[in-house]
Amino acid sequence: GAGVSQSPSNKVTEKGKDVELRCDPISGHTALYWYRQSLGQGLEFLIYFQGNSAPDKSGLPSDRFSAERTGGSVSTLTIQRTQQEDSAVYLCASSRAAGVAGEQYFGPGTRLTVT
Amino acid sequence: GDSVTQMEGPVTLSEEACLTINCTYTATGYPSLFWYVQYPGEGLQLLLKATKADDKGSNKGFEATYRKETTSFHLEKGSVQVSDSAVYFCALISNFGNEKLTFGTGTRLTIIP
Repeated sequence: GAGVSQSPSNKVTEKGKDVELRCDPISGHTALYWYRQSLGQGLEFLIYFQGNSAPDKSGLPSDRFSAERTGGSVSTLTIQRTQQEDSAVYLCASSRAAGVAGEQYFGPGTRLTVT
Repeated sequence: GDSVTQMEGPVTLSEEACLTINCTYTATGYPSLFWYVQYPGEGLQLLLKATKADDKGSNKGFEATYRKETTSFHLEKGSVQVSDSAVYFCALISNFGNEKLTFGTGTRLTIIP
């Protein structure tokens, strides 16, 4: 069956512009996660959704970052006024159940480059 | 807070060599432990997991045993292949309502024919 998909696969933007990154989870998966992979910081958790609500936003690095999920499915991560330190690969994962009960399946990521 | 420390890379081995990648963790309570692998040009995928002390996770010839007394989850394989070349990440999920994966920094493994 279809895995987690993310779009775009690559995004180059100018500093100060806003970007939107999209994640389509596996059908039926109720939990959705965003992570960021960068050279300096490794793999970092950003935010977690259970259904459409976000019980844990603790990883969002600043108020320029926000995310939403609609219909218990698609999620969008928005970065406003992008900075060069936002350059990274943004990974989305989904699972049937949250936490230890559910294996997280990862998408291929969106590579964001801020120039 | 939760943290994972894993062996620094890169690691280069000859085909059929034995592999150990060390991983230790700090967490509240009794976390579940994972190894994820990222093959060149591909996304992260789960390699194996263990959810309680003394459990052994295994897959594709790789094994790791959850050692509570040493807070470790070392990844081992008896005979590596060129196709095992990838980046390996040790990770945990806390059992205290914290739903996120906490990852180590990753270890790049290259196997030479």
